[in-house]
Amino acid sequence: DIQMTQSPASLSASLGETISIECRASEDIYSNLAWYQQKSGKSPQLLIYAANRLQDGVPSRFSGSGSGTQYSLKISGMQPEDEGDYFCLQGSKFPYTFGAGTKLELK
Amino acid sequence: AVQLVESGGGLVQPKESLKISCAASGFTFSNAAMYWVRQAPGKGLEWVARIRTKPNNYATYYADSVKGRFTISRDDSKSMVYLQMDNLKTEDTAMYYCTAVGFAYWGQGTLVTVSS
Repeated sequence: DIQMTQSPASLSASLGETISIECRASEDIYSNLAWYQQKSGKSPQLLIYAANRLQDGVPSRFSGSGSGTQYSLKISGMQPEDEGDYFCLQGSKFPYTFGAGTKLELK
Repeated sequence: AVQLVESGGGLVQPKESLKISCAASGFTFSNAAMYWVRQAPGKGLEWVARIRTKPNNYATYYADSVKGRFTISRDDSKSMVYLQMDNLKTEDTAMYYCTAVGFAYWGQGTLVTVSS
C-alpha cells in the first residue's frame, strides 16, 4: 500500500497568515492527490483534486501544488472559517490511502 | 445537487452484525463506483470498501482490517449502497461515511458503536 506522510500534525496560524501543509507519498502518485477540509462534527469537504485543481465553490485562497511524491496545500491568508482538520488522499493506486491529518487552529 | 444519506448505525455488542445503508441522488448512480470510509473517534480517515459498476461486474474490494467480515453491495434500481458488517469488533467503532464520484461527495455519516 502507498503510505501518505502528512505534516505538520498541528498548526496554529494568525489571521491573514499564509500556511502550508505537506503530504509525502511512499511512491510516485502522478498527481492523483486530493485535499479535504473537515470541520468538527462534519464530513470531509473536497478542496483540491488532481494535486492543483480547485473544487467548485472553494475560495481561491486555497491552492495545491506538487508532483511525484511531494505535495502541498497552501492557504494564502488564514481566515477564522479555515479552522479544522485537513487530510490528503492519494487516488493513484488501490487501496486509496489518507494522510493522518493536520489540525489547523487560529492563533 | 448530489446527496448521500447514510442510515442504520447504532450500538451493538462485539461479534454482532449490523447493516448500514446509503441513499444516493443527484448523479447517475449506476455509473459510479461507491465507497465506504470510516473514522474512529478522534482519529483519521480509513477507506473500508469499494464496489464497482455493473460493466465491471460489481467487483468489490475491502481493507485488510475488514476483509471476510464486511460485505459491500448495491441496488442500482434504488440508488442504494449497503455495508453488511458481521462479527463486529470494538475497533470497528467509528463514523461510517458513504462517498462517491472519486471521493468528491460525502454523506453526513452514520455512527457505529461496538461495545459490551
